[in-house]
Amino acid sequence: SAVISQKPSRDICQRGTSLTIQCQVDSQVTMMFWYRQQPGQSLTLIATANQGSEATYESGFVIDKFPISRPNLTFSTLTVSNMSPEDSSIYLCSVVGEPAYEQYFGPGTRLTVT
Amino acid sequence: QQQVKQSPQSLIVQKGGISIINCAYENTAFDYFPWYQQFPGKGPALLIAIRPDVSEKKEGRFTISFNKSAKQFSLHIMDSQPGDSATYFCAASERGGSEKLVFGKGMKLTVNP
Repeated sequence: SAVISQKPSRDICQRGTSLTIQCQVDSQVTMMFWYRQQPGQSLTLIATANQGSEATYESGFVIDKFPISRPNLTFSTLTVSNMSPEDSSIYLCSVVGEPAYEQYFGPGTRLTVT
Repeated sequence: QQQVKQSPQSLIVQKGGISIINCAYENTAFDYFPWYQQFPGKGPALLIAIRPDVSEKKEGRFTISFNKSAKQFSLHIMDSQPGDSATYFCAASERGGSEKLVFGKGMKLTVNP
C-alpha cells in the first residue's frame, strides 16, 4: 500500500483567507483524488487530480474555490479559497494503487474556519 | 440521489458478538466494493474489498458477502472486539476501482467490553 502524508494536519483559519493543503505519496501514482468530510458525515469527492491535465471537479465544486495542482506523480495540492465557516471539514487526499486499484487515504487535514 | 445506501447508522454489540453492516447500490456499472474503517482523527483505512466475480471474501475476522442480483453487499465482523469500535464506510467504484469512490453514509460501531 502507498504511504501518504498531508500537511498541515490541522489548522484554524479566519474567514476570507485561503489555505493550501499538500499531499505527498511515497510512490508514483496515476490517479489522485481530493475528498471532503464534513463533521460527522461521509466522504464527498471534490475533484480528481491528474498529472499533466487539469483537475476534474464534481458537481457543486468549482476551480475558483478549490484550485488543485498536480505537478508530478507523487505530489498534489488543494487550496481552499476565500474560506467561510461552512468550509470547516476534514480534507483528504487518496491515491489508487496499481495494479490492484485499491484506493488509499492520507491522514487528512482538519480545517476549522472562524 | 444517493447511489450507495448503508444501514444501520449505528450499532452497539457486546464483545465477542457479530457485527453486520449492509449496503445497497443502484449503479450496475459498479464493479469494486471496498469497506473502510475510520477512527476519530484519522483517515479511512482500507479493510477489505470485493469484486463481483466472487460472492464472499474473508480476511481474518472480516467477511464481505456480495449479492450481485440484489445489488447488495455486507460486512460481517466476527468476534467483535472493543478495538473494532470505529466508523465503517462501504463504498463502490467503476472500472475495477480505478475510478472515484462513492461512499455510504457510514455506521458507527460500538463494541462494549
